Amino acid sequence: TQLLEQSPQFLSIQEGENLTVYCNSSSVFSSLQWYRQEPGEGPVLLVTVVTGGEVKKLKRLTFQFGDARKDSSLHITAAQPGDTGLYLCAGAGDTGRRALTFGSGTRLQVQP
Amino acid sequence: DTGVSQDPRHKITKRGQNVTFRCDPISEHNRLYWYRQTLGQGPEFLTYFQNEAQLEKSRLLSDRFSAERPKGSFSTLEIQRTEQGDSAMYLCASSLLKGGTDTQYFGPGTRLTVL
Repeated sequence: TQLLEQSPQFLSIQEGENLTVYCNSSSVFSSLQWYRQEPGEGPVLLVTVVTGGEVKKLKRLTFQFGDARKDSSLHITAAQPGDTGLYLCAGAGDTGRRALTFGSGTRLQVQP
Repeated sequence: DTGVSQDPRHKITKRGQNVTFRCDPISEHNRLYWYRQTLGQGPEFLTYFQNEAQLEKSRLLSDRFSAERPKGSFSTLEIQRTEQGDSAMYLCASSLLKGGTDTQYFGPGTRLTVL
């Protein structure tokens, strides 16, 4: 059974601070997606990483896929109140299984 | 470009009733997934279709649950004899397998409350 552990579970910071969210597993994933979810809505895709060691940037967000494709991180620079939400990582299995395995999420609150 | 749509957005029902949810995927996406999300947790996989074929079902999908995708376009998820434990957000996602990558795009979900 593939499991993804996210940390921290909750994060409350002031506007302008930097933060990093981690997503770890003992399993290898063929790809990993990061989503952000608002209350009462479905997850919205932020990025897909596929290659071990890959780094992708989306404005103030930097995503990294571990060399062994077992872990990932999301770094936010100069957080803003609009970044508030639930951040979910999700991995697609390395054995051809297409269903995503989700972490339990990191709830981020950015105070103005 | 329209995204994934789901209907209804909210459903309140009494225990023992049957409910049916609909998902319309992004056009030309050949894969469609159903997930369930309970409060404070990430989504959990239920089942997925490639075109009209149901290729995988999770052990979470009890025999009270059935999903169809009759023409390879929209899909329905039916829950028979609902139980309070079925209360959750039901999410649909679609994808287009391309170059080995299968990025899933989610709909807004259907929030089910079983009284």
